[in-house]
Amino acid sequence: GAVVSQHPSWVICKSGTSVKIECRSLDFQATTMFWYRQFPKQSLMLMATSNEGSKATYEQGVEKDKFLINHASLTLSTLTVTSAHPEDSSFYICSATPGTGTDTQYFGPGTRLTVL
Amino acid sequence: ILNVEQSPQSLHVQEGDSTNFTCSFPSSNFYALHWYRWETAKSPEALFVMTLNGDEKKKGRISATLNTKEGYSYLYIKGSQPEDSATYLCAFIQGGSEKLVFGKGTKLTVNP
Repeated sequence: GAVVSQHPSWVICKSGTSVKIECRSLDFQATTMFWYRQFPKQSLMLMATSNEGSKATYEQGVEKDKFLINHASLTLSTLTVTSAHPEDSSFYICSATPGTGTDTQYFGPGTRLTVL
Repeated sequence: ILNVEQSPQSLHVQEGDSTNFTCSFPSSNFYALHWYRWETAKSPEALFVMTLNGDEKKKGRISATLNTKEGYSYLYIKGSQPEDSATYLCAFIQGGSEKLVFGKGTKLTVNP
């Protein structure tokens, strides 16, 4: 149980284009979903927290107009990287929990984004 | 800025060896500590959620202890197997927050 899928697993795009990443909880309803980013040799860094039906809460330094998050249902959250630039190249990973963020978070396998 | 440190950064052991590594976190305003196991190309897998000082948790050959007063947690693996090879992450939650603050992880390689 508690499986989270993420799609795509990797994507290469041209600078200036937008990329959408999907995160789905497959066997539970996710009250809260989280989006993280990991640069090489760094730790997972929280980008934003989203609750179904409400606006996402972004961490300091994360541009909400650049990283659009939609948590449309209790099983799906999407992250859209708009007008991607090479510095946005990173590993993006989502997590979901049926409870609050202090409970166990169940992670997807991540998406490797490369912007040329 | 909250700082979560894990040591060592990487570790190579032989099959059958027991091993342990450390997670250090702020000792003030503690709420919880999570341990995850992350195999390459897979999703991080939750191992333990620890909340009380002195907590000891066990899952098969893996166990963890928690000292909130001094701000550290140890993860132990008894009789390491090649399938234990993974990166082990710890994540700290501060009181009043729901955010996981991760360390950089300890990469364990178990040689057959």
